[in-house]
Amino acid sequence: EIVMTQSPATLSVSPGERATLSCRASQSVSSNLAWYQQKPGQAPRFLIYGASTRATGIPARFSGSGSGTEFTLTISSLQSEDFADYYCQQYHNWPWTFGQGTKVEIK
Amino acid sequence: QVHLVESGGGLVKPGGSLRLSCAASGFTFSDHYMSWIRQAPGKGLECISYISSSANTIYYTDSVKGRFTISRDNARNSLYLQMNSLRAEDTAVYYCARNYGNPVDYWGQGTLVTVSS
Repeated sequence: EIVMTQSPATLSVSPGERATLSCRASQSVSSNLAWYQQKPGQAPRFLIYGASTRATGIPARFSGSGSGTEFTLTISSLQSEDFADYYCQQYHNWPWTFGQGTKVEIK
Repeated sequence: QVHLVESGGGLVKPGGSLRLSCAASGFTFSDHYMSWIRQAPGKGLECISYISSSANTIYYTDSVKGRFTISRDNARNSLYLQMNSLRAEDTAVYYCARNYGNPVDYWGQGTLVTVSS
């Protein structure tokens, strides 16, 4: 099973600042990497797939990069609605596995 | 718009069974692979099962293999998860999810399964 490790566990950022979230895979997943956003009491929301392609309706301030084992989600200018938990997921090998999440909180 | 509605969750004793259902609407259900994903309270996400559009391909994660069965009825636009021999560690919110290729593009709101005596 591919283990996904996200860092940091918690990221404290002021509104308007940039947030950079990292995700590392225990073995190469090529570009088979997705990112999701989850707010308390809600289902996750699909943000990014193919490591860098934004899903339909996702604002341009969200961007993804990386391939192989190292990936990054960048939120260029944090809005109030962006404070949430973020998960990366590999879908290269079954079982698809998620990272443990990064909580982006207001500084 | 895509709509996924889970039902069938609840409180069950260890060793018991439950059947989850997911009613899909707003898209051509038979065109899409589907998944069940769970989230234990305060924890992360776990993909537990995956079924192809025609049910020819089915995957399970090791922790549920032999106990859970995924199925679908394309005529009824419905996805199911039969859960047997339930354990305390199966306690979670269970999400029905539509696959976009392999990643998930739409999620239901989830149904809570609590396994406790």
